[in-house]
Amino acid sequence: DTEVTQTPKHLVMGMTNKKSLKCEQHMGHRAMYWYKQKAKKPPELMFVYSYEKLSINESVPSRFSPECPNSSLLNLHLHALQPEDSALYLCASSQEGTEAGYTFGSGTRLTVV
Amino acid sequence: DAKTTQPPSMDCAEGRAANLPCNHSTISGNEYVYWYRQIHSQGPQYIIHGLKNNETNEMASLIITEDRKSSTLILPHATLRDTAVYYCIVRVAILNDMRFGAGTRLTVKP
Repeated sequence: DTEVTQTPKHLVMGMTNKKSLKCEQHMGHRAMYWYKQKAKKPPELMFVYSYEKLSINESVPSRFSPECPNSSLLNLHLHALQPEDSALYLCASSQEGTEAGYTFGSGTRLTVV
Repeated sequence: DAKTTQPPSMDCAEGRAANLPCNHSTISGNEYVYWYRQIHSQGPQYIIHGLKNNETNEMASLIITEDRKSSTLILPHATLRDTAVYYCIVRVAILNDMRFGAGTRLTVKP
């Protein structure tokens, strides 16, 4: 298995809702990432997990809460989002501490109404 | 400050080689050069990376200048499916902090 799987592919949520994005990989990668991508912009790094521990938080608002329950799963919990949080949310994984490239999922297209 | 500079857009004729330049004049000795591409509404796809030697794989070739201040990604026979945004990224391999610049939008035309 050489893929990163993200679910759901599309999500519409209200500003008072709580939802979660899920990411799964079975490549034995111990580094996992969340990126946010607005239309016509490059992906922006949000969070990095290394060996299931949060190692980088790019000053992301607390309405985004990441979780890494095990070495294969990465979640992004969403609460009280704003319309400007609408974006493509990308998950990626990589081998820890090597030069290997990252493997990205196809993303979750989030719309906040 | 951005670590890399790329032209915002380029065109290429189908079947011809696409040569995408990247300037990384402040690259450090332990930073690798990576190339990714992103086809519309999909996740980025890893293409190739290198430290100082030229590299080739089934997708592309990477040419890094001797002073390592610039590089060129070569797609030898571009097809319409190569139309995408191409990102050149430099990073220290052991640090898990890959950040994207603006990239080059390559359009392959029939």
